[in-house]
Amino acid sequence: EIVLTQSPGTLSLSPGERATLSCRASQSVSSSYLAWYQQKPGQAPRLLMYAASSRATGIPDRFSGSGSGTDFTLTISRLEPEDFAVYYCQHYGSSQYTFGQGTKLEIK
Amino acid sequence: EVQLVQSGAEVKKPGESLKISCKGSGYSFTSYWIGWVRQMPGKGLEWMGIIYPGDSDTRYSPSFQGQVTISADKSISTAYLQWSSLKASDTAMYYCARLTGSDFDYWGQGTLVTVSS
Repeated sequence: EIVLTQSPGTLSLSPGERATLSCRASQSVSSSYLAWYQQKPGQAPRLLMYAASSRATGIPDRFSGSGSGTDFTLTISRLEPEDFAVYYCQHYGSSQYTFGQGTKLEIK
Repeated sequence: EVQLVQSGAEVKKPGESLKISCKGSGYSFTSYWIGWVRQMPGKGLEWMGIIYPGDSDTRYSPSFQGQVTISADKSISTAYLQWSSLKASDTAMYYCARLTGSDFDYWGQGTLVTVSS
C-alpha cells in the first residue's frame, strides 16, 4: 500500500509570496496518477492538478505541479487571498485511491 | 453543466441504518465511475470505494470493505452509500465524486452524517 506524506503540515505565508507544497510517496509512482486538490472551509474539495502537472479546467496558471518517482510538488507562484486553504495530493494505483494527510496554507 | 447533488444531512442513533444518495446530471452517468470519500471532523480525506453505474461493478477500500455498501440506480442517475448499523465513529462528512480514471474531477456538496445517542 502506497502512503503519501505531505509537508509541511502547515505553511504560513503572505499574499504575493510563493508557496511550495510537497507530497512524497512511500514508493515510486507514476506521475500520470498523481493529483492535487484544494479544499476551503465548508466546501467540497476541488481538483487542481492531474497527471502531476496538468491544470484542471478553470485553474489559474499561478498553480503548477511537478515531480516524478516519489517526490511531487505543487507550487503557487504568487499567493492570492483565495488560495489560503488545505491542499491534498492523491494517487491511484492497483485499483486503490490514496490521499495525503493535507497541508494547510494559512495567512501569515 | 456536470453536477453531483447529494442528499441532506442526517442525524441517527447508533445501530440504525442509513442510505445517502448522490444524483448526477449534465453528463452520461453510466459512463463514469463514482467514488465516495469520507472526511471525519477536522481530518483529511479517505477514499471509501467506487462504483461504475453502467454495470454496478464496485470496488472498496480495504478499510471500508464490509463496513458500508455502495450501489447505484442508473435509471435515475443516482449512487448510494449505505450502512446497516451505524456507529458513533461513522460521524463524518461524506462526499461523492466523479472519477476520470485516476482522479476525481467533480464533487458533490457533501452529506453530513451525525451518529449520536
